[in-house]
Amino acid sequence: EMQLLESGGGWVQPGGSLRLSCTASGFTFSSYVMSWLRQAPGKGLEWVSDVSHSGDRTYYADSVKGRFIISRDNSNNTLYLEMNSLRVEDTAVYSCAKVGGGAAFWFDPWGQGTLVTVSS
Amino acid sequence: DIQMTQSPSSLSASVGDRVTITCRASQSISNYLNWYQQKPGKAPKLLIYVTSNLQSGVPSRFSGTGSGTDFTLTITDLQPEDFATYHCQQSYSTPRTFGQGTKVEIK
Repeated sequence: EMQLLESGGGWVQPGGSLRLSCTASGFTFSSYVMSWLRQAPGKGLEWVSDVSHSGDRTYYADSVKGRFIISRDNSNNTLYLEMNSLRVEDTAVYSCAKVGGGAAFWFDPWGQGTLVTVSS
Repeated sequence: DIQMTQSPSSLSASVGDRVTITCRASQSISNYLNWYQQKPGKAPKLLIYVTSNLQSGVPSRFSGTGSGTDFTLTITDLQPEDFATYHCQQSYSTPRTFGQGTKVEIK
């Protein structure tokens, strides 16, 4: 069974930093594009970032570009999201997801998520 | 960015009902449209990919249609476990955007 487990969330003041991790199991992690997505309280889903299977290509939503860095360690089946210069509006549950479908690009499965709260 | 608009935002229905949720894209996305089901406190679950393809294990009472800018998710014979929020997502271009969600509640 494919599983994704996030960790590293918590409370941070505006301007602070956090590093999220996502540990994968049940599939060949190194073969897949991986993504981070988020959902602010009471809001819809938002795509945050992708990383290619090898880690050499990364993509970001405009809302996080220049502040967040996605990376992966294929030897340890782990995806990361380094979040810097955090803003109140970054408060959300952050989930990692495996990307399927090639160009059709769907997210499956998703992890349960880790809550990031940015507040003074 | 492509804007995705779902309607309605919420609906009330009874077990056994037929439910239809629509998703409209701000420009043509061909058939690059996926649907997810999310229950409270849980991760979203892929239901349908590329407009009409059921993910493995998804009951056949779920179906999807559409092309271009207009898409539909239909649930026939609504079951108690189907009460949830449903999200559409376009995968035609980056950023891959979602609708705001449709909450299906028990009448």
